[in-house]
Amino acid sequence: DAKTTQPNSMESNEEEPVHLPCNHSTISGTDYIHWYRQLPSQGPEYVIHGLTSNVNNRMASLAIAEDRKSSTLILHRATLRDAAVYYCIRSEGAQKLVFGQGTRLTINP
Amino acid sequence: KAGVTQTPRYLIKTRGQQVTLSCSPISGHRSVSWYQQTPGQGLQFLFEYFSETQRNKGNFPGRFSGRQFSNSRSEMNVSTLELGDSALYLCASSPGTGRYNEQFFGPGTRLTVL
Repeated sequence: DAKTTQPNSMESNEEEPVHLPCNHSTISGTDYIHWYRQLPSQGPEYVIHGLTSNVNNRMASLAIAEDRKSSTLILHRATLRDAAVYYCIRSEGAQKLVFGQGTRLTINP
Repeated sequence: KAGVTQTPRYLIKTRGQQVTLSCSPISGHRSVSWYQQTPGQGLQFLFEYFSETQRNKGNFPGRFSGRQFSNSRSEMNVSTLELGDSALYLCASSPGTGRYNEQFFGPGTRLTVL
């Protein structure tokens, strides 16, 4: 039971912003929201995480809805290297991640 | 710092055999988690070890087991292999302490069961 819902696939153009949505309507008060991505032929890679407030790091931004039932990962300026499967995960701890099917992001040159 | 390393990278076994996979975490990391990735089931959590103790466990049969050594290196073992055990097995390490620790994944071991 992945407990998050994401679109199966999305497509964007290089150098444009990308907004990847995630629904986690059954989230509990102590659950973190994590985002990982998996590039072809590699293990998953941490992108960002948050609890209640919006978060920014060098890779992306995470916008969390006020009721915490949804969130959006924002890639400000997509590059070809950002083509990957993006996983939105919600869990109480960071050590046991329950992955869903993720969103396959395609970036067009 | 060197990343998470997994050996071997590829492995072919036959049904009924057993297999041991190895994972060396990033230096200083005390938590090691294992995941199985298949096209049908996606990424599934197997177990997590911290300071040589299993701290979390996923929903896998007892044929899947693991252990962690005093230097934080970890091994997982699968006995009586089945065709359905063919998968990419991923190991991830993290410091394991503190409120939040991102996980760093290795490249995986691809196991094929014939």
